[in-house]
Amino acid sequence: AQTVTQSQPEMSVQEAETVTLSCTYDTSESNYYLFWYKQPPSRQMILVIRQEAYKQQNATENRFSVNFQKAAKSFSLKISDSQLGDTAMYFCAFMNLDNNAGNMLTFGGGTRLMVKP
Amino acid sequence: DTEVTQTPKHLVMGMTNKKSLKCEQHMGHRAMYWYKQKAKKPPELMFVYSYEKLSINESVPSRFSPECPNSSLLNLHLHALQPEDSALYLCASSQEGQGMANEKLFFGSGTQLSVL
Repeated sequence: AQTVTQSQPEMSVQEAETVTLSCTYDTSESNYYLFWYKQPPSRQMILVIRQEAYKQQNATENRFSVNFQKAAKSFSLKISDSQLGDTAMYFCAFMNLDNNAGNMLTFGGGTRLMVKP
Repeated sequence: DTEVTQTPKHLVMGMTNKKSLKCEQHMGHRAMYWYKQKAKKPPELMFVYSYEKLSINESVPSRFSPECPNSSLLNLHLHALQPEDSALYLCASSQEGQGMANEKLFFGSGTQLSVL
């Protein structure tokens, strides 16, 4: 089994600044993906970014990038040039690809991010 | 079309009612999921269907009964629920449920359920 921990329940950032959300995970698996999902007040779960564990290069998607430290089992999300629309709950999630029963996600507890004007 | 559609968006039911939640996707995905999310908590997995077969049941009470009539449709039948079952119920789908290298989950917008 795996666990995902987000140690920052709430964070805030000024518009246009940069913020980093932390995530650590614990697993004995070797073939997995890591994700960041965003859940705004509408409660729609939106995929922000994905990292394949076998890739050393950190994933980036426009203003969003990750710092993946495999040995330390750390997976942080950096949001650059924060926008008001980034206000949401952010969930870090783990997917074990060697699970024959299905590729379900295990979520961390979430970080509530508020972007202030 | 990268959409997972859930209906209804809101549902209020009494403890003696029988109701159903519906989830539909037309992306050709072969795995579908039900998650339950309480307020200010992460989603918790309930069921996984892979190729229309139930592959995971996370010890969910029998008052929740999933059904996958075909690869595009997933239902969750509700009967004799308790007030503590009030939550957001999220449906998700992914391309294929067993170790595919391009996996990601697409989520619907959820059904907010209130049990009185």
